[in-house]
Amino acid sequence: AQSVTQPDIHITVSEGASLELRCNYSYGATPYLFWYVQSPGQGLQLLLKYFSGDTLVQGIKGFEAEFKRSQSSFNLRKPSVHWSDAAEYFCAVGAMNTGFQKLVFGTGTRLLVSP
Amino acid sequence: AAGVIQSPRHLIKEKRETATLKCYPIPRHDTVYWYQQGPGQDPQFLISFYEKMQSDKGSIPDRFSAQQFSDYHSELNMSSLELGDSALYFCASSLTTDTQYFGPGTRLTVL
Repeated sequence: AQSVTQPDIHITVSEGASLELRCNYSYGATPYLFWYVQSPGQGLQLLLKYFSGDTLVQGIKGFEAEFKRSQSSFNLRKPSVHWSDAAEYFCAVGAMNTGFQKLVFGTGTRLLVSP
Repeated sequence: AAGVIQSPRHLIKEKRETATLKCYPIPRHDTVYWYQQGPGQDPQFLISFYEKMQSDKGSIPDRFSAQQFSDYHSELNMSSLELGDSALYFCASSLTTDTQYFGPGTRLTVL
C-alpha cells in the first residue's frame, strides 16, 4: 500500500535561515508527489507538485522540492524562511486506483519560525 | 481565480443527529474528493466521484453517504453522528486525475 513518511513532527527555524522538510514515500509505480501547506484552521494550499520530467520542481512562495527516485524522497526546501511560513506542511502521494487518484498524506511537519 | 466552495464552514450537531456538507468544485472540474482530518491528524481519503459516479472509496463509515449532482456539486451526508466524527472535512476538486485543489473545509463539532 502507498504510504508517506514525514520523520520530523516539529521543526524550528530562525527567520532568514534555510529550510528542508523531509518526505519519504512508498509506492510501486512512478509517483505523483505533492506538498501542501495548512495554516491553523485553514484549508490545504498546494505548494508544488511532481508528475514527471525535471526532478527539481519550483513552487509558490519560493519553495522548491527535489524528487530522488533512488532514495524515495521528495524533500521540500526554501533558502530563506519568513515568519509567515509558519504552518503545517503535508507531503502527499497520488495513489492511482481504478484509474483515479486519491491522495495519501504524511502526518505533517509543523514549522515554527523564531525571530 | 475561482476556488472550491464548501458550506457550511462550521457546524455543531448533537450525537445521533444528521449532517449534510456541501461542496462546489472549481468550474469545469469533473472530479470531487472528500477527506476527513481529525484533530492533529493528516487528512484521510473518504470517497471520490467522477462525472457523478463514485470513482473510489476509502475508509468511509457506512453511516456516511455521498453523491455528485448534475451540476457537479457534491454532498456528504452523515447520519447517527458520533463524538468521533468531530473533524475538519475537506472537499477537493480536479480535472480528471490532475491536481486536486482543496476547499477551506467544514469544521464539524459533535456534542
